[in-house]
Amino acid sequence: NAGVTQTPKFQVLKTGQSMTLQCAQDMNHNSMYWYRQDPGMGLRLIYYSASEGTTDKGEVPNGYNVSRLNKREFSLRLESAAPSQTSVYFCASSEASGRADEQFFGPGTRLTVL
Amino acid sequence: GEDVEQSLFLSVREGDSSVINCTYTDSSSTYLYWYKQEPGAGLQLLTYIFSNMDMKQDQRLTVLLNKKDKHLSLRIADTQTGDSAIYFCAESIRAGKSTFGDGTTLTVKP
Repeated sequence: NAGVTQTPKFQVLKTGQSMTLQCAQDMNHNSMYWYRQDPGMGLRLIYYSASEGTTDKGEVPNGYNVSRLNKREFSLRLESAAPSQTSVYFCASSEASGRADEQFFGPGTRLTVL
Repeated sequence: GEDVEQSLFLSVREGDSSVINCTYTDSSSTYLYWYKQEPGAGLQLLTYIFSNMDMKQDQRLTVLLNKKDKHLSLRIADTQTGDSAIYFCAESIRAGKSTFGDGTTLTVKP
């Protein structure tokens, strides 16, 4: 099993450009998440999807959109990138079946917006 | 609301014990977790404890939970240079939603 995979690993954008970060999991998990990690600010939840067909805003959703394409895939889109969106983005998934909420993380996408 | 706090940095000598502390505010938390993040990688779950437990031990790792004070700690015995990483405390009230602290950077000096 590959676990949680993310593409691309690195990306440089100019202000105003758009892009989509891809995430896929092969563990048949119900819930999927997008976080951003900035120095000194820990992990902040952008959006999450509790199940296929549903998405909800997290702590910092402005400037982002998401799509839960199917149970496996959860994408994050930046419509008009801004320098403040320079960050490391992590996708995660969890079974969310009523037991402990162990989250499995992808390797991250390092995004720089110039 | 939910809030999880940790000190940002800890430095220890190889072979010593490390203790990383965390406080949380939500008394409804059902599970508390410790994740490890190595450089350039995503987070990986180290261990977790159910809220009705006081202690959990797993090889070199000991988790202590003081529910009255809402205090969680992770002790790493015989700390090695490979333990250098960022350690995140997290809590969840229900499955599918965890709140993470800002992470403690552990530096192990030879």
